[in-house]
Amino acid sequence: DTAVSQTPKYLVTQMGNDKSIKCEQNLGHDTMYWYKQDSKKFLKIMFSYNNKELIINETVPNRFSPKSPDKAHLNLHINSLELGDSAVYFCASSNRDRGYGYTFGSGTRLTVV
Amino acid sequence: DAKTTQPPSMDCAEGRAANLPCNHSTISGNEYVYWYRQIHSQGPQYIIHGLKNNETNEMASLIITEDRKSSTLILPHATLRDTAVYYCIVRVASVDSNYQLIWGAGTKLIIKP
Repeated sequence: DTAVSQTPKYLVTQMGNDKSIKCEQNLGHDTMYWYKQDSKKFLKIMFSYNNKELIINETVPNRFSPKSPDKAHLNLHINSLELGDSAVYFCASSNRDRGYGYTFGSGTRLTVV
Repeated sequence: DAKTTQPPSMDCAEGRAANLPCNHSTISGNEYVYWYRQIHSQGPQYIIHGLKNNETNEMASLIITEDRKSSTLILPHATLRDTAVYYCIVRVASVDSNYQLIWGAGTKLIIKP
């Protein structure tokens, strides 16, 4: 019973393509997030969604667009992929006001060639 | 930028207590200290968090100094499976930031047999 699941686990694609990464959580959390971990291993937040509203957008290029069909899902769509987009992308969820911490997915390793 | 500083790496013998230090000298009164770890190729895992008092759970203990400018995560009986990067994070709590966690480089803890 995976709490936060992401698909695919690995994604290799060519520059210029459009791709999506899916994320689902079954924890009943009210907020979901996307993080990017680059080659230097720093984790940086990209987006979060709370009750279907985007509440953080940290200077991410507009080629990246989060889509949340419901509270349990937050997908990441990327247009016109670039070499610099290669990284590991993590989905996470939390209950914003409870302070119990984030639950992360296992990550999607995106490689743009 | 991360509000914490941690040593880049540490070693610990299997079965001994691992003590991971963290400095957060600019922490404000309503900010919590969170600890996460990331085992190779996995998503970050929540360990523990605290505000002022020392905290203990099934995974670890968190010791926060009286002035709250530093803390120590203690893994009481380290095992090989505890080898990971450990992140000490100060939780930014504001409407704009939506409790986002700002991640630093962490401490790579290596447990040796």
